[in-house]
Amino acid sequence: KQEVTQIPAALSVPEGENLVLNCSFTDSAIYNLQWFRQDPGKGLTSLLLIQSSQREQTSGRLNASLDKSSGRSTLYIAASQPGDSATYLCALGGAGGTSYGKLTFGQGTILTVHP
Amino acid sequence: NAGVTQTPKFRVLKTGQSMTLLCAQDMNHEYMYWYRQDPGMGLRLIHYSVGEGTTAKGEVPDGYNVSRLKKQNFLLGLESAAPSQTSVYFCASSRRPGQGGETQYFGPGTRLLVL
Repeated sequence: KQEVTQIPAALSVPEGENLVLNCSFTDSAIYNLQWFRQDPGKGLTSLLLIQSSQREQTSGRLNASLDKSSGRSTLYIAASQPGDSATYLCALGGAGGTSYGKLTFGQGTILTVHP
Repeated sequence: NAGVTQTPKFRVLKTGQSMTLLCAQDMNHEYMYWYRQDPGMGLRLIHYSVGEGTTAKGEVPDGYNVSRLKKQNFLLGLESAAPSQTSVYFCASSRRPGQGGETQYFGPGTRLLVL
């Protein structure tokens, strides 16, 4: 069974810092990996999706990497802003059989960026 | 373009009562999912559907039933609500895996309190 761990559970940084959120997983047989953002009381918004054959994806100030051999992904946020404050969730898409495409989520990292 | 919508936004039930949560998507997605989100447990998949007229069990299906009579709608039913079903319920939809762009799009959630 896939297990997903996100470290740290919470992070507080001053505005302007570059930061890294970590996601580790136990089963490297994945279909894809997605990073989501969740604002308090809201649904999830997809930030980046990395297919299993890819190593990284970039969108604006966000860069996500995937290393299947070590079971790790990182989300890099450059020049953080107060508007980046949210919970960030990592989710792994299963690769085979009945797991195909289904997501297993980590418990998230709560990010606070203060002015 | 509304994306994924959920009805209702909030509901209070008494133990033993029944209710149906409605999810609708306007993106012509094949796959639809129901998750629950609980503190300390993350998001867990309840049931999912790979197309109109099909449903399948996820990680935590007990106490729930689902139906997908129309491609755009996915219903989640609680036949006899229990306090353990107090949670935030999220619906999501995506293209069929393998078609590219398998990002899951989430609705805003339904908060359910069972007394």
